[in-house]
Amino acid sequence: DIQMTQSPSTLSASVGDRVTITCRASQSIITWLAWYQQKPGKAPKLLIYKASSLESGVPSRFSGSGSETQFTLTISSLQPDDFATYYCQQYYSLITFGQGTRLEIK
Amino acid sequence: EVQLVESGGGLVQPGRSLRLSCAASGFTFDESAMHWVRQAPGKGLEWVSGTSWNSGKIDYADSVKGRFTISRDNAKNSLYLQMNSLRAEDTALYYCAKGPRGYQLLYQFDYWGQGTLVTVSS
Repeated sequence: DIQMTQSPSTLSASVGDRVTITCRASQSIITWLAWYQQKPGKAPKLLIYKASSLESGVPSRFSGSGSETQFTLTISSLQPDDFATYYCQQYYSLITFGQGTRLEIK
Repeated sequence: EVQLVESGGGLVQPGRSLRLSCAASGFTFDESAMHWVRQAPGKGLEWVSGTSWNSGKIDYADSVKGRFTISRDNAKNSLYLQMNSLRAEDTALYYCAKGPRGYQLLYQFDYWGQGTLVTVSS
């Protein structure tokens, strides 16, 4: 099974900051990686798929990069609505999620 | 507007069974893979099972293999999860999620339902 490891587990940041979340796969997943945002009491929302493709309707301040085993989600300028938990998901071999990164207000 | 509405959750004793349903609307159901993803209280996301558009490809997480069965009825735009031999560790919010149009099984999930809560306890 492919393991997905996100870092950090918790990230404190301020509005306007540039933040990066990292996701590492235990083996190559090419670019079969997605990123989701989840707010308390809500279902996850797709942000990025195929490592770097922005889902329709998602603000352009979100971007994804990486391939093989190392991936990043970057938020270029944090907005108040962005404080949430973020998950990566590989879909190369079955499906596995990272453990999540909680983005909190500093 | 895409809608996925789960139902069938509830409180059940260990060892018993439960069947979840997901009613889909707003898209062509038989053009998309469909999946179940669960989230234990206060925990992260765990993929449970998925089925391709025509049920030709089906797979399960090791944690539920042999106990859970996924199925779909394209005529009824519905997805199901039959859960047998339930355990306390199956307690979670169960989400129905869809993939984009395509004939494979594994995709990103572009729409999710709001979930149905399953609690396994005596």
